[in-house]
Formats: sequence, structure tokens, C-alpha cells
Amino acid sequence: QKEVEQNSGPLSVPEGAIASLNCTYSDRGSQSFFWYRQYSGKSPELIMFIYSNGDKEDGRFTAQLNKASQYVSLLIRDSQPSDSATYLCAVIKAAGNKLTFGGGTRVLVKP
Amino acid sequence: GAVVSQHPSRVICKSGTSVKIECRSLDFQATTMFWYRQFPKQSLMLMATSNEGSKATYEQGVEKDKFLINHASLTLSTLTVTSAHPEDSSFYICSALAGETNTGELFFGEGSRLTVL
Repeated sequence: QKEVEQNSGPLSVPEGAIASLNCTYSDRGSQSFFWYRQYSGKSPELIMFIYSNGDKEDGRFTAQLNKASQYVSLLIRDSQPSDSATYLCAVIKAAGNKLTFGGGTRVLVKP
Repeated sequence: GAVVSQHPSRVICKSGTSVKIECRSLDFQATTMFWYRQFPKQSLMLMATSNEGSKATYEQGVEKDKFLINHASLTLSTLTVTSAHPEDSSFYICSALAGETNTGELFFGEGSRLTVL
């Protein structure tokens, strides 16, 4: 079992719709969770992070964390073609500072 | 936000030669930097953790004698790929930790694409 798992996609959504991305992790002691966006040929950029159970909203993005079920999700509202990218879920385990990345989900927003 | 600069962005070298990639934190001090490798259509794989003033910590399966990491100052870490082979061709990305651990303040360099002929 991979430490951080994501559906590779592609996830195709029409412009203006909500894109929903999921990520599961295996280490129950994980403490910090991150979503990064990576455009082809570029390095990742942080979208948001979440530490506590529940929802965290930042603009069009909402991260949801459920530690009991060991999953974290990202919602992108009012999806735009510029949101087309690979979204990487990353986790920091307990008592560590290393990010472990999932395989990424490729999102395609169609006009 | 904080800026991490990586150089060179692209490098092509002959098999058997060595290549050095630099990673600099431009406006903050980074006691910890990380080096990742990313093959096409795959995720980032952590190679090593670079700590200023001490030896790097390598992930399992990463050859420390092949991938030399030096973190001589609080703003500079270097990765040297020694005796490069075509299978070392990849996208190498560094990141630097700003502030406390677990805060998410991990900033990535622009990446360096290495092609070994």
C-alpha cells in the first residue's frame, strides 16, 4: 500500500463546475496535509494546508480532512481552464518534516 | 512569499560526467532543504534531506556516493550527480523549509531538468 494515494485521473470537469479530488494516507499518525498544484514542466506550488479535522476554505479552494477515515480532499469551485494541472497531495508524518507526495491527480477543465 | 532559486534550469551532459545543481533561498535562511526527483508522469520522490552544517540524510535506495549533497550555508545547498548515466535523466527539484516544521512553509525551486546523453 502506498503511503499517500490519489486517483491519477484525468479528472475532466466543465468550466464553472466543482472539481473534487481525494487523497488517502496510510500513516494514522500523520499530522499535516498539503495540496500542491503542478503545471507541466514546472515545480509544485502550495495551494493550501490543513491540520485539523473539518473544512478549510481559501478562495475557490476548500480542503477537507477526516483523520478517522484517513483521507483529505480538495474542492475547486467555479473551475477555470487555468486550473488544469496536476494536483499533488502531500503528508507530513508525525514527528517529522519530510513531505511524502501522492502520485497526483491530473485535472482538465474544459471551456 | 519566500523565493527559492535553482540553477541551472536545464542541463545536458555526456554520460560519465558530473553535474552540479544549486539551490538558494533568496530571502530567508533555510536550515533544512530537500531534494526531490521526478520522472515523467510520476510524482516527486524525496531523495535526501539536506541539513546545514551536517551530512545529508538519504532516502532508502538513493546512492549517497552518486548524489552528493552539500549544505554549506543557510542559503545554499548543492546536488552533484556524479558519473551521470542516461537513467539519471530527470527533473530535480529542491525545496527549502522556512520557519517551523509542519507549518507548510516549504518553498520549491523552479526545478532543474537533467538530460544525460
